[in-house]
Amino acid sequence: DAGVIQSPRHEVTEMGQEVTLRCKPISGHNSLFWYRQTMMRGLELLIYFNNNVPIDDSGMPEDRFSAKMPNASFSTLKIQPSEPRDSAVYFCASSLAQGTGAEQYFGPGTRLTVT
Amino acid sequence: DQQVKQNSPSLSVQEGRISILNCDYTNSMFDYFLWYKKYPAEGPTFLISISSIKDKNEDGRFTVFLNKSAKHLSLHIVPSQPGDSAVYFCAASETGGFKTIFGAGTRLFVKA
Repeated sequence: DAGVIQSPRHEVTEMGQEVTLRCKPISGHNSLFWYRQTMMRGLELLIYFNNNVPIDDSGMPEDRFSAKMPNASFSTLKIQPSEPRDSAVYFCASSLAQGTGAEQYFGPGTRLTVT
Repeated sequence: DQQVKQNSPSLSVQEGRISILNCDYTNSMFDYFLWYKKYPAEGPTFLISISSIKDKNEDGRFTVFLNKSAKHLSLHIVPSQPGDSAVYFCAASETGGFKTIFGAGTRLFVKA
């Protein structure tokens, strides 16, 4: 398996623009997570899907952020409008099982820079 | 409120010596703990885990120790190798939950 695939790997955009990050989880995994990594806060969970259904989006910073999972093999994280403070590395991860201790497999991340 | 804390942003160790990375947690409901390793420009990868019913788990050069009363766990790497240089994330979760809470990470430098 190719692992979790994320695109683009790097995104540079101007403040106010819409940004869409994409993720293809590992085939057969039923849980998908979006994280944001910053120097100050480490790895923050933004949203979690189980069987394509959003379970908890309490980590989404504000209404400018939205995520969808239209099918088991694809998810998007959208920021509209983007702001400089959104600059970070965004990771997608997937796992086989819901609940405690399920090892998560991370993609390589998307480095977002908003100028 | 950080439920999982890694208070040392970085650690430097000589090759061949022991590396000890520490992690503290505040939520007493956490009962499963994991360590992930991250190289630059890559996503974190799972390294080792421990359930709260144990106080030690070993996998080759890597050992995780759990002290429930102190809400503290540590990762020992013996002997340390230059290839171990990476960021190490401590993570915790609770039975019945789905969230894995990550610490901010500790950057390990292993000098040859």
